[in-house]
Amino acid sequence: NAGVTQTPKFQVLKTGQSMTLQCAQDMNHEYMSWYRQDPGMGLRLIHYSVGAGITDQGEVPNGYNVSRSTTEDFPLRLLSAAPSQTSVYFCASSKDRDSYGYTFGSGTRLTVV
Amino acid sequence: QQQVKQSPQSLIVQKGGISIINCAYENTAFDYFPWYQQFPGKGPALLIAIRPDVSEKKEGRFTISFNKSAKQFSLHIMDSQPGDSATYFCAASRRRTGTASKLTFGTGTRLQVTL
Repeated sequence: NAGVTQTPKFQVLKTGQSMTLQCAQDMNHEYMSWYRQDPGMGLRLIHYSVGAGITDQGEVPNGYNVSRSTTEDFPLRLLSAAPSQTSVYFCASSKDRDSYGYTFGSGTRLTVV
Repeated sequence: QQQVKQSPQSLIVQKGGISIINCAYENTAFDYFPWYQQFPGKGPALLIAIRPDVSEKKEGRFTISFNKSAKQFSLHIMDSQPGDSATYFCAASRRRTGTASKLTFGTGTRLQVTL
């Protein structure tokens, strides 16, 4: 049981490049979400999904896209990377929309130069 | 607007001492208050959580104290150990009809337990 798997662990992008951060969970969790972690800012919600085919915006969605075609996968796409998107990104999942026990992945450290 | 305010930003405690981290919230609709523990290079992991119908919850050396009238809650780590050195996040959430219950996190406290 792998839990929540994020790839890659590290990534360096040039300004303007696009990329996709992958997130997969094997716990059959309905709810998945993406957070970014910045020093002194805590974790801020980017996008979330309550089930396959359903996504919604969080607190800081600009510059990011998501889709949820399967229960297991919830990729985060950076459309045109900017230095302000330099951060550590965490994917989290929970059993359903009302479950509070989140399982986090180990994160992707992204640097945009 | 910071809905959950956490302090201190960093904390140094001697081994065997008590670590105390405080959080304050603004939204009285919050009904779930978890604490997450994060080690370097890892994702946050749920440590302990409380609902507002109780004033205290204890799990081993970790205790949450909750003051509903003051809109404050705190994490106490008794007999702190070097292995407790990590970053701790408080969070809050509330149930919402028709959509997901989303966690709002505090800014984190970096705890260092010295020998």
